[in-house]
Order: sequence, then C-alpha cells, then structure tokens
Amino acid sequence: SQQGEEDPQALSIQEGENATMNCSYKTSINNLQWYRQNSGRGLVHLILIRSNEREKHSGRLRVTLDTSKKSSSLLITASRAADTASYFCATDAGGGSYIPTFGRGTSLIVHP
Amino acid sequence: NAGVTQTPKFRVLKTGQSMTLLCAQDMNHEYMYWYRQDPGMGLRLIHYSVGEGTTAKGEVPDGYNVSRLKKQNFLLGLESAAPSQTSVYFCASSTGYEQYFGPGTRLTVT
Repeated sequence: SQQGEEDPQALSIQEGENATMNCSYKTSINNLQWYRQNSGRGLVHLILIRSNEREKHSGRLRVTLDTSKKSSSLLITASRAADTASYFCATDAGGGSYIPTFGRGTSLIVHP
Repeated sequence: NAGVTQTPKFRVLKTGQSMTLLCAQDMNHEYMYWYRQDPGMGLRLIHYSVGEGTTAKGEVPDGYNVSRLKKQNFLLGLESAAPSQTSVYFCASSTGYEQYFGPGTRLTVT
C-alpha cells in the first residue's frame, strides 16, 4: 500500500509560473522526502524534511510539512521548461527501518 | 564515482524464462533496494537489504528472489518470468535517508 498520495496527478503551467504539488499521508512519519524523475530516468532526491520541521528551502524549491494535517507541499518558483518531470513524495515511518514509501507522483509539464 | 549502475538496460523475455538483474553501487551504502514502476502505480518495493548478506521482502516480493553476497552488489532474480512482471525496475542505495537511484531496466515479458 502506498503511504503518500500526491495531488494533483497532473499539472500544466507556463514557464515563469509557480508550481505547487501536495502530498498527503496516513500514518505518523519520521521524515518526508521529495524526488524528481525525468522521463526515462531514475529518481533524483530533491529535499528531505523531518517531522519536527515546518518548512525547508533549497534554491527555487520550498517544502512545507504540516504533521497535524498529515500533508506536505512542494512549491517550485519561477518554473522552467527543464522542471518538466514527475515529482514523488516518499514517507518514512522511522523506527530504524529506512524504508521510504513512495506515492504515485505528480506529472508536471512546464510550457516554454 | 559511477553511483548506482544497473545491468542490463533493456531485456525481452519469453514467459517461463529466467534472468538476473544486477545492481552495483560504489558509495559504500549499507542499504539497497529493488523497486518496480508501472504506469499509474508509482514505485513499489520488491525486496531490500540492510547490509551484506541480508535481504528482506518488500511490498510485492512474489515471483522474485534477491541476493546480496557483496556489499556493493544487489541481484534481483526472476526464476520463471510472467507477463505481469513486465515493468521498469529500479535499484537504489542509501545510507538510511536520501536514496540514490540507478537508471532503470526496462523488462518486457511476452
């Protein structure tokens, strides 16, 4: 079963606009990660946010975590065509298992 | 550093044939994982390993076996391939948090 579920499933925007995608999960987590997957490639780690953190930034990426609502959001500011990819959230329940559970992903298309 | 490599990149099997997918990492990571990715299903964990000589079942282990005889290698075997195993297979390694993924193996079973 998949812990994290991304929303929307697909997002289409123009270059320069911001892209926001959300991840909801069901049970308590130790941390939440976001990954990017370009077409035909493996996943690439973007950012990790721990359960005691509320917000984290990395370049044009901003991730928020609301443990009371069991949700996270990934914001990409000033999107570029090169940001076109699928984005996945992965949750880790902790306990030393280090077994993240991936959602089904959001497919983002950025039109030049 | 090559990171995580997977062999082969593509393979076509007939139903009932067997094959082994090889994953190698040069980052000295303890944890290694095998996932399959199907359209609309995201990534599903097949098997994983928390260290040399150890393996454990993931979410969808049936029809697959694995071995981790050396820390840097993680092998995924299909003893008798079925059309339902047509998928893209990804290997990943980790120190416990951030995962590093290989480029994937696209397997078609006819």
